[in-house]
Amino acid sequence: GENVEQHPSTLSVQEGDSAVIKCTYSDSASNYFPWYKQELGKRPQLIIDIRSNVGEKKDQRIAVTLNKTAKHFSLHITETQPEDSAVYFCAANQAGTALIFGKGTTLSVSS
Amino acid sequence: EPEVTQTPSHQVTQMGQEVILRCVPISNHLYFYWYRQILGQKVEFLVSFYNNEISEKSEIFDDQFSVERPDGSNFTLKIRSTKLEDSAMYFCASSVGGVDQPQHFGDGTRLSIL
Repeated sequence: GENVEQHPSTLSVQEGDSAVIKCTYSDSASNYFPWYKQELGKRPQLIIDIRSNVGEKKDQRIAVTLNKTAKHFSLHITETQPEDSAVYFCAANQAGTALIFGKGTTLSVSS
Repeated sequence: EPEVTQTPSHQVTQMGQEVILRCVPISNHLYFYWYRQILGQKVEFLVSFYNNEISEKSEIFDDQFSVERPDGSNFTLKIRSTKLEDSAMYFCASSVGGVDQPQHFGDGTRLSIL
């Protein structure tokens, strides 16, 4: 089955800096890669997603890139703000609808 | 904006008892899911449900688990004979379509087994 590895597990940045989180996946059949933000005690919230027919997608300060050949995808957050502090999870679909999640990255943005 | 709603927010149950977790998916969504998250760990897929039947399930989803859509709006997860290791946050999610469609999560039910 699909396996998703996520790095780093923790990331601390200064407000205004950029943050990059990287994930790799194992199943070449995966074609959907969402990113979720989870604040403490709350639901995972979808922030951006990318499909395998696209190499990059941007939404304001957030962008995701996908390299199908290397089987990795990355989340880029520019001009970070304290409210970006949360746990970020990448995921990949496994042979259908099941999402397989990475272990998460705890992002801390200090002002 | 429509949301997935889950009840109860917190359930405390004695080991060996049965629990039913309830979810109301977004009204025009056709695919429903259950995930669990043990405290401090990643989100894990349990099961997906479409057209009144299970479409996929993980190794975690063994015979003690079952899902049901008892009416046109509710989607339930039943855990028979709960174990201590079933303690986790259980999230329901729904999506309009299946493969490569965004899944929207509810606020979760925190299940504590004593």
